[in-house]
Amino acid sequence: QKEVEQNSGPLSVPEGAIASLNCTYSDRGSQSFFWYRQYSGKSPELIMSIYSNGDKEDGRFTAQLNKASQYVSLLIRDSQPSDSATYLCAVNRNAGNMLTFGGGTRLMVKP
Amino acid sequence: IAGITQAPTSQILAAGRRMTLRCTQDMRHNAMYWYRQDLGLGLRLIHYSNTAGTTGKGEVPDGYSVSRANTDDFPLTLASAVPSQTSVYFCASSIGVNQPQHFGDGTRLSIL
Repeated sequence: QKEVEQNSGPLSVPEGAIASLNCTYSDRGSQSFFWYRQYSGKSPELIMSIYSNGDKEDGRFTAQLNKASQYVSLLIRDSQPSDSATYLCAVNRNAGNMLTFGGGTRLMVKP
Repeated sequence: IAGITQAPTSQILAAGRRMTLRCTQDMRHNAMYWYRQDLGLGLRLIHYSNTAGTTGKGEVPDGYSVSRANTDDFPLTLASAVPSQTSVYFCASSIGVNQPQHFGDGTRLSIL
């Protein structure tokens, strides 16, 4: 089992719809969770960080964390073609200052 | 503009050569990291440094070395490059442990 798992996609949604991206992790002691967006040929860009159970909203983005079920998700409301990118889930395991990344989910928002 | 600067942007290198990838940040972040990103394997941590003067091994440290003589600089050295080290290398930094990491623009390295 991979430590951080994401569906590779592509996930295709129409413009204006809600995109739902999911991530599961194996280390129950993980403490902090991050979502990054990466456009093709570019570096990862931090979108959201979440540390406690529940929802965290920032503009069109909502991160959801459920530590009991060991999953973290990212919702993108009113999806735009410019949201088309690969979304990386990253988990800071309870083993020092090391982030483990999932393989990423490719999102395609169609006009 | 504050951020992370990586150099070179890209490099083609003969196998067996020594190469140092440079990374400088001006955000006074305590922690710095080196990752490599390969198709199908995602981002993998090579080495990290939680504070100046200390370093630690990540998931894939073999063939790489780092140093952290001061807060701002975190160079990554390939002592004797091999083709399997062909990759895109990202440097990142964070203000502290368990804090969000911010990435440089990357170095595309090809070993022939």
